[in-house]
Amino acid sequence: GAGVSQSPSNKVTEKGKDVELRCDPISGHTALYWYRQSLGQGLEFLIYFQGNSAPDKSGLPSDRFSAERTGGSVSTLTIQRTQQEDSAVYLCASSWDSVEQFFGPGTRLTVL
Amino acid sequence: EDQVTQSPEALRLQEGESSSLNCSYTVSGLRGLFWYRQDPGKGPEFLFTLYSAGEEKEKERLKATLTKKESFLHITAPKPEDSATYLCAVKDYGGSQGNLIFGKGTKLSVKP
Repeated sequence: GAGVSQSPSNKVTEKGKDVELRCDPISGHTALYWYRQSLGQGLEFLIYFQGNSAPDKSGLPSDRFSAERTGGSVSTLTIQRTQQEDSAVYLCASSWDSVEQFFGPGTRLTVL
Repeated sequence: EDQVTQSPEALRLQEGESSSLNCSYTVSGLRGLFWYRQDPGKGPEFLFTLYSAGEEKEKERLKATLTKKESFLHITAPKPEDSATYLCAVKDYGGSQGNLIFGKGTKLSVKP
């Protein structure tokens, strides 16, 4: 079956621009997570969606970051007024039991 | 505060030279410990979940074990294709977050 997919695979943007990153979870998975992986750092939790519950936004680093999940499936992570420190690989994961998480290939974001 | 520490940061082995990777963790209540493999430019690939001390799981040349304070990933007679970064993560029973807490990984290189 299809795994988690993310688009675009690479995104280069200029400082100050807004970007949108997309995640398609595994069909039937009710939980969806966004993480950020910076060079030399571990994966950093950003946000968690579980079914129709309010998302857990406790990992978002600033109010420039937001995410939504439409229809309990596809999710979009938006970064407004991008900064150079936002450059990282953004990973999406989904889960059917909120325990084992399966990751997509990631979006590599470069802010010039 | 939940913490995960992996050692060594990097490990170089000759093909066939068995070794172990370590993951030490601190959590208030362990819901699960997870091992992932990550190849360059790709998302983490799920390997194992361990739930309780004494549990062991195997897959090909890999064997994961768990105690109350740490987990080991044993690699028997490794091959060059086992070269990757191995990530350890834990999920805590407590708290409202659904996220995993990741270590920084061990980069394994296996030379022919």
